[in-house]
Amino acid sequence: DIVMTQSPDSLAVSLGERATINCKSSQSVLYSSNKKNYLAWYQQKSGQPPKLLIYWASTRESGVPDRFSGSGSGTDFTLTISSLQAEDVAVYYCQQYYNVPPTFGQGTKVEIK
Amino acid sequence: EVQLVESGGGLVKPGGSLRLSCTASGFTFSNAWMSWVRQAPGKGLEWVGHIKSKTDGGTTDNAAPVKGRFTIARDDSKNTLYLQMNSLKTEDTAMYYCTTQYCSSTSCLYYFDYWGQGTLVTVSS
Repeated sequence: DIVMTQSPDSLAVSLGERATINCKSSQSVLYSSNKKNYLAWYQQKSGQPPKLLIYWASTRESGVPDRFSGSGSGTDFTLTISSLQAEDVAVYYCQQYYNVPPTFGQGTKVEIK
Repeated sequence: EVQLVESGGGLVKPGGSLRLSCTASGFTFSNAWMSWVRQAPGKGLEWVGHIKSKTDGGTTDNAAPVKGRFTIARDDSKNTLYLQMNSLKTEDTAMYYCTTQYCSSTSCLYYFDYWGQGTLVTVSS
């Protein structure tokens, strides 16, 4: 199985400041034939199910604010919230879908400083 | 609007069985690849297994921790997905989410674009 490791486990950011979450996979999730990274990001607010934010490492799901962006390739990825809003307090998960079983990172908790 | 509504969770003793259901609406269920994802209390997300659409063979695949104990099935006439859980262990205690896997016109992938609210399964004596 591909192991996904996120860092940090938690971070506190001031309102309006940038939040950066890292995700590393134990093997590359870049598919050579189509040059796509099989990496998704989810947001889970307290008491709610996860919500898909980003797929193909950098494509925002419909309706997701453009302050959320994804980057990276191969084994190293980043989710950036450019200007943190109060409603962004949540746990964020990365997930690879390159191999079965699909696997998730352990989550990163984002709070307001 | 896509809706996924899980039911069937509850308290069960170790070694017992439980069947979860997920009723779907707002999309063509028979074309969908469906997965179950679980989350132990205070923990992260874990894929449990999935079932393909019947046109893609209707086959299932489960994660190693539940293989041989859990079975996924679907009834397209009822727009319903099932998770039959047997020989339950305390470590199966979790919120169980029903999810859709993203499908384009040509292929389906293993990321999850819609989620239900979940149903809680507690395995305890």
